[in-house]
Amino acid sequence: QQQVKQSPQSLIVQKGGISIINCAYENTAFDYFPWYQQFPGKGPALLIAIRPDVSEKKEGRFTISFNKSAKQFSLHIMDSQPGDSATYFCAASIRETGANNLFFGTGTRLTVIP
Amino acid sequence: EADIYQTPRYLVIGTGKKITLECSQTMGHDKMYWYQQDPGMELHLIHYSYGVNSTEKGDLSSESTVSRIRTEHFPLTLESARPSHTSQYLCASSEYGGMSYEQYFGPGTRLTVT
Repeated sequence: QQQVKQSPQSLIVQKGGISIINCAYENTAFDYFPWYQQFPGKGPALLIAIRPDVSEKKEGRFTISFNKSAKQFSLHIMDSQPGDSATYFCAASIRETGANNLFFGTGTRLTVIP
Repeated sequence: EADIYQTPRYLVIGTGKKITLECSQTMGHDKMYWYQQDPGMELHLIHYSYGVNSTEKGDLSSESTVSRIRTEHFPLTLESARPSHTSQYLCASSEYGGMSYEQYFGPGTRLTVT
């Protein structure tokens, strides 16, 4: 059973446009929501993360929007660049247990065309 | 750049062979993980460890085994490789019980069993 559902599976955006990737979860015990970025031939790397006590977090061109009541969160990439072309994974975890096991979404392959 | 290493990066091996995928980290992290990544991107947790002499099975059933004799080293072994084991294997590490929940990933081992 997929704990975190992610869409779309692939996304093509023009340079300068906004890329939006959405995720949804069911387990209300989740209290940590990171996004990972993976380039070909590399392992995923943490991009940005949010806790459910805030509705938005921004780091540079990357913003997470979080809707606790809807159990949804999304990644927005502003002014998308060809260098942003990568696979993006949302994830969720339960911090309070200390276990830190991440449940990953299925990934979104983003292509930014010049 | 995360200090987590995996060898080999690529491995092509025949059916029935025993293989060990190596993973080492120099960050002193207690927790380590092995993920299997489908060709279609999805990440599945197959093993994790809380520290020395601790090993746990992940969400995806796997015929592989792991060991954790040293904090920095978390090898994965397949006693008898089969074509169904063909995949990308990613190792990761994180602090356990601390403030940071970031998982640091290695570059992966792409395994092909013929």
